[in-house]
Amino acid sequence: GAGVSQTPSNKVTEKGKYVELRCDPISGHTALYWYRQSLGQGPEFLIYFQGTGAADDSGLPNDRFFAVRPEGSVSTLKIQRTERGDSAVYLCASSLASSTEAFFGQGTRLTVV
Amino acid sequence: GESVGLHLPTLSVQEGDNSIINCAYSNSASDYFIWYKQESGKGPQFIIDIRSNMDKRQGQRVTVLLNKTVKHLSLQIAATQPGDSAVYFCAENRGGGFKTIFGAGTRLFVKA
Repeated sequence: GAGVSQTPSNKVTEKGKYVELRCDPISGHTALYWYRQSLGQGPEFLIYFQGTGAADDSGLPNDRFFAVRPEGSVSTLKIQRTERGDSAVYLCASSLASSTEAFFGQGTRLTVV
Repeated sequence: GESVGLHLPTLSVQEGDNSIINCAYSNSASDYFIWYKQESGKGPQFIIDIRSNMDKRQGQRVTVLLNKTVKHLSLQIAATQPGDSAVYFCAENRGGGFKTIFGAGTRLFVKA
């Protein structure tokens, strides 16, 4: 596709369940980012990949959150034992390695009930 | 600490007027400062960036000014149009890392 694609667009899950959120970056973009955005707030950095490796995961709030990018393209954000406080829009972005211009997907709205 | 904040949460301008959105930052180590636009239900969209060793950069209808003395960043939008209505975020970025820190945002309303 032409842009960053995130699936699902909406996800409702029960407290304590496990969820996976998927991101398909723009083809050729080696850098991939995950952000979390709560209502009325700016995006909060979670993790950044350069290729297959997590170059910076300092934004992951705790060990319930994990992200992978095994082939350097598609990435999955995994959240274990979800809590109501995890409810937010999870945004994925990608960019060329040397660029500050990140292209964002439309996000996955996660609701934990 | 790391923080990027905005002076005003909302800004209302008349169509055709110029808009100025302000931002304060606290971390002098940032290499780039970036402005993003976010429309309702969409992800942020890159507008323009400025390297920390520059004072001004112009794009199409937009100008970003950086004042490192007072750690202040502004986005000027010329001839504001209804399509400019959105939330605008300033963000800072550390070159070589790409960890981008966003501020809370300013909502711009354009009155017809």
